[in-house]
Amino acid sequence: EVQLVESGGGLVKPGGSLRLSCAASGFIFSTYNMNWVRQAPGKGLEWVSSISGSGSDKYYADSLKGRITISRDNAKRALYLQMNSLRAEDTAVYYCARVLGCRTGSCYGLDVWGQGTTVTVSS
Amino acid sequence: QTVVTQEPSLTVSPGGTVTLTCASSTGAVTSGYFPNWFQQKPGQAPRALIYSTTNKHSWTPARFSGSLLGGKAALTLSGVQPEDEAEYYCLLYSGGAQPWVFGGGTKLTVL
Repeated sequence: EVQLVESGGGLVKPGGSLRLSCAASGFIFSTYNMNWVRQAPGKGLEWVSSISGSGSDKYYADSLKGRITISRDNAKRALYLQMNSLRAEDTAVYYCARVLGCRTGSCYGLDVWGQGTTVTVSS
Repeated sequence: QTVVTQEPSLTVSPGGTVTLTCASSTGAVTSGYFPNWFQQKPGQAPRALIYSTTNKHSWTPARFSGSLLGGKAALTLSGVQPEDEAEYYCLLYSGGAQPWVFGGGTKLTVL
């Protein structure tokens, strides 16, 4: 069964840091691009970051650029999101999602999602 | 930064048909944006329904279909069931430094 399981969320003070993890199983992890998507309480979905299967290409939402770093360890089948200088507005559920497939620079969509991990930034 | 717009809310009767749309601030939505549609129920993670405009996942019920309509991406539900009441999000892929953009979501009420 294809599965993604996030962890690492929690309560953190403004200015603090967190490292989110996403454990993948049931598919050849290294062959898939991966995304992080977040959802603030009562709000819609927001794309956060993407990483290619090899880890060589990384993309970040402008609203978070400079404060986050996406990475992956294909040997461990794990995706990570390092978040620094956290603000109250970063409070959200963070989901990892698999990119369905990409070809010649275009990607077709997201198919599998994890259940999410909650990040709360508050003093 | 591209803004993707969806109807904030729609209401449909059980057994009816409803179409949700997804527009881009940059112009007409084409197949080159690979429109995706997701369903999200309260307290649950999003579930993928449609990818690359019209393609269904293996788990997508037959009553859901995707298309392009008047310069927008569209999701049509035919024979709506009570369990279809949910929030629906579209996602467009535009490549570049900010490759993915979600729409604001449509709250579908089945009444």
